[in-house]
Amino acid sequence: AQSVTQLDSQVPVFEEAPVELRCNYSSSVSVYLFWYVQYPNQGLQLLLKYLSGSTLVKGINGFEAEFNKSQTSFHLRKPSVHISDTAEYFCAVSDAGPAAGNNRKLIWGLGTSLAVNP
Amino acid sequence: DGGITQSPKYLFRKEGQNVTLSCEQNLNHDAMYWYRQDPGQGLRLIYYSQIVNDFQKGDIAEGYSVSREKKESFPLTVTSAQKNPTAFYLCASSSRSVGSAKNIQYFGAGTRLSVL
Repeated sequence: AQSVTQLDSQVPVFEEAPVELRCNYSSSVSVYLFWYVQYPNQGLQLLLKYLSGSTLVKGINGFEAEFNKSQTSFHLRKPSVHISDTAEYFCAVSDAGPAAGNNRKLIWGLGTSLAVNP
Repeated sequence: DGGITQSPKYLFRKEGQNVTLSCEQNLNHDAMYWYRQDPGQGLRLIYYSQIVNDFQKGDIAEGYSVSREKKESFPLTVTSAQKNPTAFYLCASSSRSVGSAKNIQYFGAGTRLSVL
């Protein structure tokens, strides 16, 4: 079974500063990893994903994340944030092993609320 | 445009009443999901369906029911047995393809349910 821990429930940051949102996971099998963003009163939108290949993954809106297998982490970063990045960010993991077949449910972290201040 | 449509955006339930939340997708996805979101608790899976006429309970299915009679539609009924239904409900869908779209879930805009 997998689990996801988002280490910070809230991250306040000033506009144009860099930000890192931390995500750790646990799993006995290989995994796929995802970051989603949720703006107030809206659904979730995929920011980026790691399925295989390069461990540095680039997503939309200037975000990137690095998969670190030894540290079981998938931290999200942006070098310079904007007011419009204020949102809830969710890390999620699914089983990538062959035994999962097509039944790849997502396991979700509790979310990190990013507040960008002017 | 392709996507997932949830309706209504806001819904109010009276005591003892069943209410149904609609979810329709035109992405030709086989799998569909219902999540409940409460502040600070992330997303919790209520029910999911991998194919038409089949669905499975998620982590918090008690007090909810679903049907999957058509590929495009996955309505969720919040029954009177659900004693704390106030929450934000999200519907999602995904392709069962084994290609690059592995389990990427696409979400609707949500329905906010409140109890009168």
